[in-house]
Amino acid sequence: QVQLVQSGAEVKQPGASVKLSCKTSGFTFTSYYVHWVRQAPGQGLEWMGIINLNGGSTFYAQKFQGRVTMTRDTSTRSVYMDLSSLRFEDTAVYYCARSYYDYGFHPWGQGSLVTVSS
Amino acid sequence: EIVLTQSPGTLSLSPGERATLSCRASQSVSNNYLAWYQQKPGQAPRLLIYGASSRATGIPDRFSGSGSGTDFTLTISRLEPEDFAVYYCKQYRTPLYTFGQGTNLEIK
Repeated sequence: QVQLVQSGAEVKQPGASVKLSCKTSGFTFTSYYVHWVRQAPGQGLEWMGIINLNGGSTFYAQKFQGRVTMTRDTSTRSVYMDLSSLRFEDTAVYYCARSYYDYGFHPWGQGSLVTVSS
Repeated sequence: EIVLTQSPGTLSLSPGERATLSCRASQSVSNNYLAWYQQKPGQAPRLLIYGASSRATGIPDRFSGSGSGTDFTLTISRLEPEDFAVYYCKQYRTPLYTFGQGTNLEIK
């Protein structure tokens, strides 16, 4: 079955960078897109951007442009999200999710908690 | 950027009742690219409905989506105990995706 398995929790200091991974299985890797979505504690969902697994082109939400980089490795079927210049307000659970019909997201990874703390 | 406003913020109902959740867009949603997600505490969101009215794989038929343009509705015909959760709508209009703020469906 289709699975997205994310890397574990991270604790980072303000100003540092974090790189999260999302390992995929169960589908033709280069036929899909992967999204990254984050959720701050007790808050709603926020879309960060998308990567085309066929070729690696990306599009980022304006809020994150200049701080986020999404990449993929076809040999390991993994997708990565690098967020730099971390701030306290970047503390959140970060999810990867695969594209689905009509721009739905399905399935989702289990989430990776990033805590920014001094 | 299209803003999605969900109502009510909290909905208190009992198992067996019918739930109606609303999602209103600030502009017309392209091709009805409107989806609904369910999220339970400590879990990732789960896709319920895509394209405004199509159920995702494995979603029970008590969940249905309707609407077009700027007004969309998620209906749960008869609530089961496992349906109490937070529900989000999400839209796509090139090239951006936005989520609503969520409706908390709680047991009365």
